[in-house]
Amino acid sequence: SSELTQETAVSVVLGQTVKITCQGDGVSTYYPNWYHQKPGQAPLFVLYGKNNRAPGIPDRFSGSSSGDTASLIITSAQAEDEGDYYCNSRDNRQFGGGTKLTV
Amino acid sequence: EVQLLESGGGSRQPGGSLRLSCAVSGFTFESYEMNWVRQAPGKGLEWIAYINSAGRMVDYADSVRGRFTISRGGGHSLYLQMTDLRVDDTAIYYCVRDVTGATFDYWGPGTQVTVSS
Repeated sequence: SSELTQETAVSVVLGQTVKITCQGDGVSTYYPNWYHQKPGQAPLFVLYGKNNRAPGIPDRFSGSSSGDTASLIITSAQAEDEGDYYCNSRDNRQFGGGTKLTV
Repeated sequence: EVQLLESGGGSRQPGGSLRLSCAVSGFTFESYEMNWVRQAPGKGLEWIAYINSAGRMVDYADSVRGRFTISRGGGHSLYLQMTDLRVDDTAIYYCVRDVTGATFDYWGPGTQVTVSS
């Protein structure tokens, strides 16, 4: 198991595609889960496994993985997608530092 | 509808104690692993405690091991006993359902814990 590293901040133009990454030694074995947190709210479960959306999550959210890096991809980003995104390891339960997404 | 609701947060001085509770409904509590996750002001998420469905296996983050105790009650409640509180324990504490393998699918709204002198 290892720590998970995320970009501090990412920005995207409304309607464009953005990728948020999560890097760590165990990523290719234990695909991380993804969560979205808006200011003042509890986190929301978004993605699990290699590319599985949680119930109710729009299909513009998807996942991919390459080597020691997993990615959350938002196709045609919307204003409501702004906020913080966290990955967490299914190996040791630890979270990455989080990525602030600005749309 | 799955619901989790934390309570018991408040203010304490360093060295004090606090017991958080989480009331759950809408699912078979006995079948799920549970966790506590916290978030310090302006910081990211930190997993701190885990308990398996039977209540016999627990795990803690190094930052709280030996000071915090997670437990679960038959009345559909999850608990976190916090002792020897420190200033850096100040955070929002979330009760979180674990569907499998550290996959946190439902979160409570959180309860605020503030530790200051």
